[in-house]
Amino acid sequence: GAVVSQHPSWVICKSGTSVKIECRSLDFQATTMFWYRQFPKQSLMLMATSNEGSKATYEQGVEKDKFLINHASLTLSTLTVTSAHPEDSSFYICSASSYEKLFFGSGTQLSVL
Amino acid sequence: KNQVEQSPQSLIILEGKNCTLQCNYTVSPFSNLRWYKQDTGRGPVSLTIMTFSENTKSNGRYTATLDADTKQSSLHITASQLSDSASYICVVSSQSSASKIIFGSGTRLSIRP
Repeated sequence: GAVVSQHPSWVICKSGTSVKIECRSLDFQATTMFWYRQFPKQSLMLMATSNEGSKATYEQGVEKDKFLINHASLTLSTLTVTSAHPEDSSFYICSASSYEKLFFGSGTQLSVL
Repeated sequence: KNQVEQSPQSLIILEGKNCTLQCNYTVSPFSNLRWYKQDTGRGPVSLTIMTFSENTKSNGRYTATLDADTKQSSLHITASQLSDSASYICVVSSQSSASKIIFGSGTRLSIRP
């Protein structure tokens, strides 16, 4: 079964609204969680790294006020896309890590109309 | 600078043929190297994980090799099937911190009937 659960698997929203994506580690406590974005036929692009209980570290070019990341517990991290616009439409994936473990969620396809 | 480079960027082969994907890295200190398979619209799924002392590891028709001296890894796919069409991602972890995980940009493999 899935070790990392990501929800929802797809979402359609209107421009200007906010969307929250959840990432849960089911079988282990994830000290670190990662969020990625992937455009069609392109590779995974790391957006940010978050350690439980501390602020996320964002990659260059990723707006922290646009993509809010919360990692309040060892099993849950959330990514909120605020005031979404059509250019934010993408496939978002999380991964959870602890020591030797690294598992990915199944991804969330976001479509902003 | 910690880097992971994969080649080729894309590859097309006929069903039934074998192929080899390459991964070169400069991550130090090295902890482990993983190969993932990502189907379109899905999250990456782990194929193999190799530590410093392991030279080869198999998972069905997938065989990964690791040369820690030259910092090179390969993923060999035997008797390819149409379902092998996917992106294959090489991920290298640093020994010092769980948060130092470097992703390759992936190889897009297409299997033609």
